[in-house]
Amino acid sequence: SYELTQPLSVSVALGQTARITCGGNNIGSKNVHWYQQKPGQAPVLVIYRDSKRPSGIPERFSGSNSGNTATLTISGAQAGDEADYYCQVWDSSTVVFGGGTKLTVL
Amino acid sequence: QVQLQESGPGLVKPSQTLSLTCTVSGGSISSGSYYWSWIRQPAGKGLEWIGRIYTSGSTNYNPSLKSRVTISVDTSKNQFSLKLSSVTAADTAVYYCARGDQINWAFDYWGQGTLVTVSS
Repeated sequence: SYELTQPLSVSVALGQTARITCGGNNIGSKNVHWYQQKPGQAPVLVIYRDSKRPSGIPERFSGSNSGNTATLTISGAQAGDEADYYCQVWDSSTVVFGGGTKLTVL
Repeated sequence: QVQLQESGPGLVKPSQTLSLTCTVSGGSISSGSYYWSWIRQPAGKGLEWIGRIYTSGSTNYNPSLKSRVTISVDTSKNQFSLKLSSVTAADTAVYYCARGDQINWAFDYWGQGTLVTVSS
């Protein structure tokens, strides 16, 4: 079965750029989606199809996908961006989530 | 604005069947190009996809749960449902229902989630 690998945690200084990776075999050939989940809340879609932002998501959220790694980039991280982030793909008609990355804004 | 709301028992005994319903409001469950999914999250852990259903009734399930899962849809009530049989403590989790978009294949709307505890 297909697996997605994310770092358990990423830290970023307030106002700096955070990068969260999602590794998978030839993930560049798949569409990757990213979700933000704050404590006690449902996940929220922040990036779909590698790099597109849903309405209402700040421009500081961006994404890329190539080779074996997809990356969620948060430029000018704010305290409110502190959350868990999950990548997601489809593989053989099933959904696969990454294990999640806890983003800490220092 | 589409809204999803999970409902069902918060406590289920081991070996019994967990049953949850997701009610969709703000739009018809049959309109547009969507599929409807269940996703769960044990406390302190990551997201696990359970399965999806189209309003045609076609389903796909997580292979690891397939033998115990049934997802159904009732378009007249704008609802879809989850049944998970032979539950154990490992099935204790927050269960989310979510809408998937057949164009972008992402989950764009989620319910708030409901905690189901498996315990005697």
